[in-house]
Formats: sequence, structure tokens, C-alpha cells
Amino acid sequence: DAKTTQPNSMESNEEEPVHLPCNHSTISGTDYIHWYRQLPSQGPEYVIHGLTSNVNNRMASLAIAEDRKSSTLILHRATLRDAAVYYCILSASGTYKYIFGTGTRLKVLA
Amino acid sequence: GAGVSQSPSNKVTEKGKDVELRCDPISGHTALYWYRQSLGQGLEFLIYFQGNSAPDKSGLPSDRFSAERTGGSVSTLTIQRTQQEDSAVYLCASSPQSGGVYGYTFGSGTRLTVV
Repeated sequence: DAKTTQPNSMESNEEEPVHLPCNHSTISGTDYIHWYRQLPSQGPEYVIHGLTSNVNNRMASLAIAEDRKSSTLILHRATLRDAAVYYCILSASGTYKYIFGTGTRLKVLA
Repeated sequence: GAGVSQSPSNKVTEKGKDVELRCDPISGHTALYWYRQSLGQGLEFLIYFQGNSAPDKSGLPSDRFSAERTGGSVSTLTIQRTQQEDSAVYLCASSPQSGGVYGYTFGSGTRLTVV
């Protein structure tokens, strides 16, 4: 399974944009990039996923580098409720097993 | 149901006892997964069910752990002769099908404490 690398922690001020990076230099052509987040005392929740093109949804945007060796999850305006651990995961089409790393713990300052 | 339901939400058991953890996936989801999360750690894959296919048990840490899924719906994770290192949050997830394009929906987990 291709591996992802994320910073252990990041801080952001409330109402400001947050860019959460993820490196995946060994990504293969069929690997999808998924982002999940885990709020305290909850199971992870889906945020966004993409393959090659940038993606937007109501929660966030996903910017994928042209060579696909890195991606960035963008929260456009951080709120206190966005404080969570954010996981970047690769999964190949046709496979099912997500390998979770330790993620990035995002702290949002009021 | 609207989401993945797990029960109990908390379980305290004595070392050496058996425990059963239950997961009700989203109706119609054919894929079901169990993960566990030790304190301060990431998620560790345990087992995966897809329809009527043989489950992938490759993540089960020992033969004390087993899981079944009845009627393609509800799943039970059983831990026999519990040990203190089994203390963790056990998370269940389901998805419409297997495959990398389909997102998981997780339950809130069962927090197991072995004393």
C-alpha cells in the first residue's frame, strides 16, 4: 500500500483558511486520494476524495498536484468545530482496505 | 437506519472474559469493516466483509478475535479471553460497495476497557 506523510499537528485561527498538506510520492495511477477527519470521541467522517482533478464540496476543497505526489485539503474558513484529526489515505480502485496513518491534529484558535 | 450503529458504546470487562461488540451497518451497504483505535493512535484494520464473499481476516491480531456477519447485515466482533492490551475503541464502518471510490461511513465506536 502506498504511504502518506502528514505533519503531526497544525494550528489555525478561526475564520481563516487552512491548508493541510499530504505527501504521497509512491502513489500509483489508480490510487484515489481520500480525506477523513475524526472529531473527539467520534468515528472518522468522510471529507472529500479525488483522483486527478481538484475537487470541491460543501466541506472542503482538494487540490491535487499535477504529478499527484502530493495533495492539499483546504478548509476555506476554519471554525472551532473543525478541530479534529485529519487523515489522508490512498486507496486503489478495486481495493477496499484503507490504511490510516496518524494524521494531522488541527487546532483552531478562537 | 440513518447511520452505522454500534453497541454498546462503552464496555468494561474483566481480564479473561469474552465480549461481543455489535455493528448495524447502513441499510443496503454491502461492505462492512472493523477497525480498532488504541489511545492516541491511528486506526488499525481488523476485518472486512463484502456480500457473500469470504471475509478478509488478515488484520485480526490473534485467534482470540473473530467476527461474523449474519444475513449480509449485522456484524458481531467477538473477543475471547480478553487481555488488557485489547483495550481500545472498536470502530465499524460500511460502504455501498468495496473499492477505492466509495467512502466509508463510520459508527461512533465501542470503547472497550479491560480491567
